[in-house]
Amino acid sequence: LAKTTQPISMDSYEGQEVNITCSHNNIATNDYITWYQQFPSQGPRFIIQGYKTKVTNEVASLFIPADRKSSTLSLPRVSLSDTAVYYCLVRGGGTSYGKLTFGQGTILTVHP
Amino acid sequence: NAGVTQTPKFQVLKTGQSMTLQCAQDMNHEYMSWYRQDPGMGLRLIHYSVGAGITDQGEVPNGYNVSRSTTEDFPLRLLSAAPSQTSVYFCASRTGTGGPEAFFGQGTRLTVV
Repeated sequence: LAKTTQPISMDSYEGQEVNITCSHNNIATNDYITWYQQFPSQGPRFIIQGYKTKVTNEVASLFIPADRKSSTLSLPRVSLSDTAVYYCLVRGGGTSYGKLTFGQGTILTVHP
Repeated sequence: NAGVTQTPKFQVLKTGQSMTLQCAQDMNHEYMSWYRQDPGMGLRLIHYSVGAGITDQGEVPNGYNVSRSTTEDFPLRLLSAAPSQTSVYFCASRTGTGGPEAFFGQGTRLTVV
């Protein structure tokens, strides 16, 4: 499974757009990029997944360039409740489908 | 909608004791996994299963056993608890087809003294 690298922490203010970039240089052809959010004392929660180009849902957007060696999670107009740890994962297909490998994550702190 | 249920929520063990952390899901998911999360760290995969009767090791399997006799249940057994196993344990499940989302339980906070 491809290793991911993301910033350890980020700070933002309410109402701003936040972009968290993740690098995954060794991503394989059938790998997907998945992001999870975790609040203190809770299990992670799925945010978004993509394979290439751009994916958008009601919570976030995910931008993936053509070479797929990085991805950017975009959170529009964050609020205090978006303060959490955000994990970028590369999810494999085939026999590795059942495995999700979490890195250190990015601690996002949203300030008033 | 129960989702993924873990029991107990909190547990204190003495070194050398054994116990089983329970995990049950009611979504008919094929894939189930156990993770541990130490303070300030990401989640590390202990064991996972891609279906009833099939299990495999993750990154940190030593000291833990699992079995998957039914689709719904995936218990994690600590054979002889050690202080290094003090952690928060999360169970997760996901479907084998369709959506990518994994569903996590609320966690079991285990302290070994």
